[in-house]
Amino acid sequence: DGGITQSPKYLFRKEGQNVTLSCEQNLNHDAMYWYRQDPGQGLRLIYYSQIVNDFQKGDIAEGYSVSREKKESFPLTVTSAQKNPTAFYLCASSILGRSDGYTFGSGTRLTVV
Amino acid sequence: GEDVEQSLFLSVREGDSSVINCTYTDSSSTYLYWYKQEPGAGLQLLTYIFSNMDMKQDQRLTVLLNKKDKHLSLRIADTQTGDSAIYFCAETHNNAGNMLTFGGGTRLMVKP
Repeated sequence: DGGITQSPKYLFRKEGQNVTLSCEQNLNHDAMYWYRQDPGQGLRLIYYSQIVNDFQKGDIAEGYSVSREKKESFPLTVTSAQKNPTAFYLCASSILGRSDGYTFGSGTRLTVV
Repeated sequence: GEDVEQSLFLSVREGDSSVINCTYTDSSSTYLYWYKQEPGAGLQLLTYIFSNMDMKQDQRLTVLLNKKDKHLSLRIADTQTGDSAIYFCAETHNNAGNMLTFGGGTRLMVKP
């Protein structure tokens, strides 16, 4: 079955460390997205990519970095510059030009210890 | 820019109908979506409606669209405790490059 997989489900980071969250899809979707969700809050867009080797900043890109070397993969690095990284991170993908919206992964919960 | 607004919270009794409301500002919206998020999980697409439709029904779910008032609603008939979740509406439009704009989500609590 096709889908979008985020790993790990839970991640703990020490202050000052960089960590990378994985997002892989086998849906042959063109576009991929990263969102941050804080408790009781909606979704905030971090980065998105509509084509391999290209990506755009979202509303809250500071302290994060991404790469899109393969169509299937869109990893997110939370750098030490992100001062408040504890949150739930959601990855999504979509087919450009189609109306059926985004497919979401199951999320990664990142906690700073 | 586009804006999508939802009320934060809704509480209903099991067996009653739930109506979750959403308003949006972009008059050029083409598709509008409803997603469901259960605790600790990703978002699951429930249904979507094209902007030239007034209503769409899918089993217990009914979507109503009032394009003049830019108002979207999701009615859940015979609400069950398993319907307790956060519900997000979202919209896209022709010039959005496939991007969705999400509302802040409505937390639905179903009491037994």
